[in-house]
Amino acid sequence: AQSVTQLGSHVSVSEGALVLLRCNYSSSVPPYLFWYVQYPNQGLQLLLKYTSAATLVKGINGFEAEFKKSETSFHLTKPSAHMSDAAEYFCAVSGAFNEKLTFGTGTRLTIIP
Amino acid sequence: NAGVTQTPKFRVLKTGQSMTLLCAQDMNHEYMYWYRQDPGMGLRLIHYSVGEGTTAKGEVPDGYNVSRLKKQNFLLGLESAAPSQTSVYFCASSYSRRAGKQFHEQFFGPGTRLTVL
Repeated sequence: AQSVTQLGSHVSVSEGALVLLRCNYSSSVPPYLFWYVQYPNQGLQLLLKYTSAATLVKGINGFEAEFKKSETSFHLTKPSAHMSDAAEYFCAVSGAFNEKLTFGTGTRLTIIP
Repeated sequence: NAGVTQTPKFRVLKTGQSMTLLCAQDMNHEYMYWYRQDPGMGLRLIHYSVGEGTTAKGEVPDGYNVSRLKKQNFLLGLESAAPSQTSVYFCASSYSRRAGKQFHEQFFGPGTRLTVL
C-alpha cells in the first residue's frame, strides 16, 4: 500500500523567495514519485518525476525535487518564486508496474507581490 | 495531437437525472482513469481501465459506472445523480506499450465541472 502526505494545504511566499512544498510518502515497494501542478480551471500537468535514477530531479519552470529515502520525502523546491507559480501542487506515488497513482491532498501556493 | 479531451466542460443536473461523461485520448494509451476532485481531498480514483473491455473499481466507485468499449474512449456514467456527486471530474490516461514504460505517468484532461441540484 502507498500513501502521500503533503504538509501545509496553503503556502504563501513572496515573489523572489524560495519555494518549498513538502511531501512525505509511505510505500511497501520502491516508489516512483511525481509532482503535478494545477493552474486555475485546468487539468493537472506533470512538473517532474522520480523513477529510481538520479535522486535530484529537475522539472519544468525551474522546479526540482530531491528523493530522500531515509526521510521518506520528496520535497519540491524553486529558488526564486514567480507570480506565475501561483497554483495548486500535488504529490503522487506509485510502485513499479503499479497502474495506479495515489495523490496527496494538494498544496495551494500563493505568491505575494 | 489533442492528448486527453473531456466532454462536456460544464453540466448542471437535477437530483435523480442521469448523464454520461466522455473521455477520449489519442496517445494509444492502454490505461485510463476517472477521478473526482473535491476541495481539501485531492484527487480520488473512481474507476479505471487497464485495457479495452476491462474496468475496475477505484477508491470511490459508488454511484458511478464506466465502460471502455474502444481503446481511445472511457465513459463515466451517473445513473441517478445526487448532490454529493457535485465535483470536478478528471479523466487521465497512461502507459504506451510501444514506449515500454514501467512508471505510469498520467496525462490529464481539462476536467468537467458537474453541479447536482
